[in-house]
Formats: sequence, C-alpha cells, structure tokens
Amino acid sequence: QSALTQPASVSGSPGQSITISCTGTNSDVGDYNSVSWYQQHPGKAPKVMIYDVSIRPSGVSNRFSGSKSGNTASLTISGLQTEDEADYYCSSYTGANTVVFGGGTKLTVL
Amino acid sequence: QVQLTQSGPEVKKPGASVKVSCKASGNTFARSPVTWVRQAPGQGLEWMGYLSPNNADTNTAWRLQDRVIMTIDTSTSTAYMEVTNLRSDDTAIYYCAIGSRLRRLDPWGQGTLVTVSS
Repeated sequence: QSALTQPASVSGSPGQSITISCTGTNSDVGDYNSVSWYQQHPGKAPKVMIYDVSIRPSGVSNRFSGSKSGNTASLTISGLQTEDEADYYCSSYTGANTVVFGGGTKLTVL
Repeated sequence: QVQLTQSGPEVKKPGASVKVSCKASGNTFARSPVTWVRQAPGQGLEWMGYLSPNNADTNTAWRLQDRVIMTIDTSTSTAYMEVTNLRSDDTAIYYCAIGSRLRRLDPWGQGTLVTVSS
C-alpha cells in the first residue's frame, strides 16, 4: 500500500490561511470517509486534529477544518498562528483492514 | 481523559526481539482497540497494525506480519507490541494509540525509542 501524497512543505504568515492536500486513490481516500489529520510538534507524539474527513475533536480550535473531493482530502488552517508550526499527517482507511498515512507536510509560519 | 504510558527506550542488536508496553489509565483496553504506529528518525508515520479487545478484530501491515506480535493484558490494562528478528531499519520511535482502522487515533502514548545497532 503506497503512502498518501502530501506536499513536503507549506508556509504562510500569521493570520493567513493555508491548505494541505492529501491525495490517495479510489481504494482509500476516494472510497471511505475515514480520513484523519494529525499534528506533530518536534519531539512530541501526534495529536488528532480532524477525523472522519471533517469532524473536529473537542478542544481543537475551529481554525482547523477538513474536506474531501474525490481522491483528495484537504486540511485548512485559517488565521495562522505561530503555534501551528508543526508537521501534519493525513491518514485513510484502505478497505483491506489497513490504514495508510501520508508522507507528512512541514508547515512553517513565517 | 485516558492516558497512555509507554515503556522506556531500548537498544537491541540485529536479530534480537523487543517488546514495548503501553499502559492505559482505567480499564481502557477492555473496551477499546489499540493501534501501533512507528516513526523512523526524520521520517513519517508508518501504520503497523491494531488489536481489539479479546482479539475480536486485528490486522498487521503486510510487510510486518511475520515479525510483529500484538497482545493485550486486560488484567493490567496494558498492551504489548513485540518485534522479532530486528533489523537496523526497525530503528524508530514506536507509538501506541487508542483507536483502530475506522476510528481516529486518540490519545497517543509518548513514544518509545527502539535503536537497533550492532
């Protein structure tokens, strides 16, 4: 199972909005709504920010939102803040009782 | 809120085995599945597999199926993940998390660094 495709890096200035894409196939992202997004700060464990494509867990800022179109899921962060600088990973169920992660995107807040 | 506490760092030689533990607060593993994820130095996340209570539902990534053993001891609310026949490319931080194939992974343990070196 190949990893989902994410851009290696994105950047934005405080207050701006950015979007991170996550492209899979019609056997994973395109076929299931079990897409999640995780934020990982250096030296820390990942933390779920979005699950089931667009649901935000309790305690996660409403500046984070998720969506999906076809085989591509997206994470949008609005009103960028310096603490948003981190690595972001998407994941998807694959239909073969397995899960696949994206390669990760490094977000830099300039 | 459930908390997961993992065992400490390990250094192993190639060909050896390592067993990482993940203890949950409360009786979590009696009702919640556990997933294991690893992250090689400077690399992304790799899904390893999951195990549901009473082994009702489980799967392991195909490339690890012959070397990874996942278990749960509900009496101590501890999950274990053993990797056998270690290779240098098994060097990674190993994470446990609550959740399974169709559920979000939340929360996560703090991670356990396993170093494989001769």
